Amino acid sequence: KQEVTQIPAALSVPEGENLVLNCSFTDSAIYNLQWFRQDPGKGLTSLLLIQSSQREQTSGRLNASLDKSSGRSTLYIAASQPGDSATYLCAVGTGGFKTIFGAGTRLFVKA
Amino acid sequence: KAGVTQTPRYLIKTRGQQVTLSCSPISGHRSVSWYQQTPGQGLQFLFEYFSETQRNKGNFPGRFSGRQFSNSRSEMNVSTLELGDSALYLCASSLLVDRADGYTFGSGTRLTVV
Repeated sequence: KQEVTQIPAALSVPEGENLVLNCSFTDSAIYNLQWFRQDPGKGLTSLLLIQSSQREQTSGRLNASLDKSSGRSTLYIAASQPGDSATYLCAVGTGGFKTIFGAGTRLFVKA
Repeated sequence: KAGVTQTPRYLIKTRGQQVTLSCSPISGHRSVSWYQQTPGQGLQFLFEYFSETQRNKGNFPGRFSGRQFSNSRSEMNVSTLELGDSALYLCASSLLVDRADGYTFGSGTRLTVV
């Protein structure tokens, strides 16, 4: 059974710092992995989608990597800003058309 | 291009009532998934529909049901509401049959049961 874990559960950093969010999964047989951000009380906004054949994806200040063999993905945020404060979730696409979500990392960027 | 639209945005119901939530996916998307999100339990999968057929179902009681219409719009229904059903209900759509394009989420419906 696929399990997805995100560590840390919460993170507070000063503005301008580069940071890494972690997502680990127990079964390497995945189809894709998607990173989302969620602002309080709102829906999920897709940030990056990595297919199982890819190693990384980049969008602006965000870079997501995928290492299936070790069961890990990281989301790198460069030069963090207060507007980056949100909860970040990773979601793993698995067999049987199932998607498993991590519990998320709550990020607070201090001005 | 319109995104995933969920209606209503907010809803207040009384315990014991029933409720119907609606989700209109992105045009052309045939897969619609529903999730319940609460502070204590996080995101929990309810069910997924593809081309009017339920393809996957989560571990929720039979009070939770859904359906998908021929235009891919989906509804979920909760009967005999309980206080614990208060949550943000999220709908997501995908274009590809294997969801290789990932999910696009709507803004959610906030249900409060009093």
